[in-house]
Amino acid sequence: EVQLVESGGGLVQPGGSLRLSCSASGFTFRSYAMHWVRQAPGKGLEYVSSVRSDGASTYYPDSVKGRFTISRDNSKNMVHLQMSGLRPEDTAVYYCVKGGRYSSDCLDYWGQGTLVTVSS
Amino acid sequence: QSVLTQPPSVSAAPGQKVTISCSGSSSNIEINHVSWYQHLPGTAPKLLIYENDKRPSGIPDRFSGSKSGTSATLGITGLQTGDEADFYCGTWDSSLSTGVFGGGTKLTVL
Repeated sequence: EVQLVESGGGLVQPGGSLRLSCSASGFTFRSYAMHWVRQAPGKGLEYVSSVRSDGASTYYPDSVKGRFTISRDNSKNMVHLQMSGLRPEDTAVYYCVKGGRYSSDCLDYWGQGTLVTVSS
Repeated sequence: QSVLTQPPSVSAAPGQKVTISCSGSSSNIEINHVSWYQHLPGTAPKLLIYENDKRPSGIPDRFSGSKSGTSATLGITGLQTGDEADFYCGTWDSSLSTGVFGGGTKLTVL
């Protein structure tokens, strides 16, 4: 059974930093792309970052480029999202999501999400 | 504004059929596969359709997907009250080099 468990969410002040982690199990982690997707209150889903199966390529939308960094540790079945320069508009539930063999493939398993609140 | 365009809401009676459209462009839907997700508040989104028209195991055949050019459509037949949720289309945008979603469509089963 595929399981994705996020951790690291919480309250942070504007301009601050936070590191989210996701522990994966139930599949051959090193073979699949991984993603972070968020949903702000009252808003839709938004891709936040993606990382190729080998970690060699990463992808970000303009809204977080230069502020967020995704990384993965295939030896520990973990994926991380380092967030800096946080803004109130980054407040959202952040989901860790398993992709396919390629970064452009569908998102087939989702974690339960972790809430990040950016507020003073 | 979302890169992909969906209607904000659709509604139909139990037992009826509904379709949800998703409009994109030559850099996303036209050249990449489309997926559809069902999202109930407070839960993790669930994959309904992948590669335009394929259903993961466990998804009933009441749900179907299609794609033509720069648009995709999700169809749901035999509507049930338990189908009420937000539905999102998603794909990869090869110009932006990131995944993109539609703004979501809220389904109400009257």
